[in-house]
Amino acid sequence: ETGVTQSPTHLIKTRGQQVTLRCSSQSGHNTVSWYQQALGQGPQFIFQYYREEENGRGNFPPRFSGLQFPNYSSELNVNALELDDSALYLCASSLQAGGDTDTQYFGPGTRLTVL
Amino acid sequence: AQSVTQLGSHVSVSEGALVLLRCNYSSSVPPYLFWYVQYPNQGLQLLLKYTSAATLVKGINGFEAEFKKSETSFHLTKPSAHMSDAAEYFCVYTNFGNEKLTFGTGTRLTIIP
Repeated sequence: ETGVTQSPTHLIKTRGQQVTLRCSSQSGHNTVSWYQQALGQGPQFIFQYYREEENGRGNFPPRFSGLQFPNYSSELNVNALELDDSALYLCASSLQAGGDTDTQYFGPGTRLTVL
Repeated sequence: AQSVTQLGSHVSVSEGALVLLRCNYSSSVPPYLFWYVQYPNQGLQLLLKYTSAATLVKGINGFEAEFKKSETSFHLTKPSAHMSDAAEYFCVYTNFGNEKLTFGTGTRLTIIP
């Protein structure tokens, strides 16, 4: 059974640029959630995708957007990067059934640095 | 608002001593509670979870936690600390039908040889 994978591992961008981060969910999971973890803080919920549709969003601006594909993999896109976007971005996959979401399993994360 | 509070941002214990990491929750509905561990420069690993079944939950690596509704607590314990337990620990909240996890601020555990 393959766990959650994320790419790339590290990324350096400059302010104003756009970035795409990728996540492959664990086998059998249909839901992907994205979190931002700033240095020294706990992860903050960005949004969740279930069967290719956004299923909840945290307090993040619209320049944070996402996609989920038919194979349940997902992308996180961030436009107009700001210095404060520098963080570890974590993807978590889970199985949603009967209106409830099972345990979320996390990938290793993508470290984004904005200069 | 639903949340978790972790008491103590840093905890140090001697190798072989008891580990106790404290977490209190606030919730108007039955909570689901988790402990996740994060090793340096790595993602999050699930230690254990409580979802309204047994109140004493056993997890991996010898950790366990007890759900106490009367005290709104979900403290994490391990009888004997090992050097490999040094990491950041997060108490996490959600509830039925809630799509997001709400993380505590984390507790950094240091093991003294």
